[in-house]
Parts: sequence; C-alpha cells; structure tokens
Amino acid sequence: GENVEQHPSTLSVQEGDSAVIKCTYSDSASNYFPWYKQELGKRPQLIIDIRSNVGEKKDQRIAVTLNKTAKHFSLHITETQPEDSAVYFCAARVRGGADGLTFGKGTHLIIQP
Amino acid sequence: NAGVTQTPKFQVLKTGQSMTLQCAQDMNHEYMSWYRQDPGMGLRLIHYSVGAGITDQGEVPNGYNVSRSTTEDFPLRLLSAAPSQTSVYFCASSTRGLGEKLFFGSGTQLSVL
Repeated sequence: GENVEQHPSTLSVQEGDSAVIKCTYSDSASNYFPWYKQELGKRPQLIIDIRSNVGEKKDQRIAVTLNKTAKHFSLHITETQPEDSAVYFCAARVRGGADGLTFGKGTHLIIQP
Repeated sequence: NAGVTQTPKFQVLKTGQSMTLQCAQDMNHEYMSWYRQDPGMGLRLIHYSVGAGITDQGEVPNGYNVSRSTTEDFPLRLLSAAPSQTSVYFCASSTRGLGEKLFFGSGTQLSVL
C-alpha cells in the first residue's frame, strides 16, 4: 500500500517568516494530494489540495508544490501569523485505489511572536 | 446545515464492553468514512462506504463493524472494546471520490480501561 512520510514533526518559525513542510510518497500511482490543518482540540480541515497533473497551486498565503518524478510534495506558508499555529497533515490517494487517503504523521507548526 | 455530526464527544469504556459511535451528515454525501487518530500516527482509515448498503474495510478494520442503511448515517460499532482502541475517532464525508475534500466531524475521544 501507499506510504507517506512527513517532515519535520515540529517546526518553529518567527511570525512573518515562511514555513515549509515536506512529504514523500511511495506509490507512483498516487494522483491526489491534500493538506489538512488541525487546531488543538478541533477537527481536521482541508486547506489546499493538488492533483498529479498540476505542479503547483496557490491560495493566498498557502501554496503546494508537487514533484512527481521525485515523489514528493510540499506545503508553503508565507507571512506566517499566530493563527497558522496548528498540526498540518499531508495525504496521498492512489489512483483507482479503494483505500481512501493515506496520511502522514503530522507537523506541529509553532509561530513564535 | 449541521455538516457532519458525531456523538458522543467523550466516552469511557471497560475492556470487553461494546458501544456504537454515531455519525450523521446532512449534505447528501455519498462517501463516508471513519478514521482513528493516535498521537504521532496521523489519521488511519478504519472503514468506509461509497453509498447506502455498501461498506468496505480500510487500513485498520479489526475490532470494528459498520453499516450504511441510509445515506445520512454511518455508525461505527466496537464489538468488544480493548485498551488498544483508546483513540480519537473522526467520521468524515465527501461528495467527491473517496478521500477527496473530506468534511470531518468534531470527533469522539474514547478511553478503554
């Protein structure tokens, strides 16, 4: 099955700086890569997703890049703000697979004032 | 429009007891799924359903049963609770393909003593 590795497990950045979280996946048949944000004690919420036919996608301060050759994808957050503090999960879904999403283990992003 | 509603929010069981976690959605989503979240493990798929009357196993199905008699409801049953089932459980639904643009419920924190 698919395996998703996520790094780092904890990331601390100064407010206003950029943050980058990286994920690698194992199955070259994966074609859908979402990112979820989970604030403390809350439910995960989708913040951005990308399909394998696209190399980059942006939504305001958030962007995701995908390198299919290297089988890795990254989340970029610019101009970080205190409300960006949360746990972020990447995930991958195999094309045609019936197993849904395989999630990474999460990155705890801490925004230092 | 309540979205995805899970009950209860908290539950304590003794080893060997059975219980049902309830999940209901009012968005007319075909796809519903159950995940468990353990510290440092991300989210792992337990069972999923692609429509009323259709269910299938995910990554960690042992010890759990599901049924889907209506589009709205997708209960998760613990047959004989074990301490290893102590976790936070999330129900999720989507209108797209399995795993795409998931809407999560607020979660159930389960402790098995």
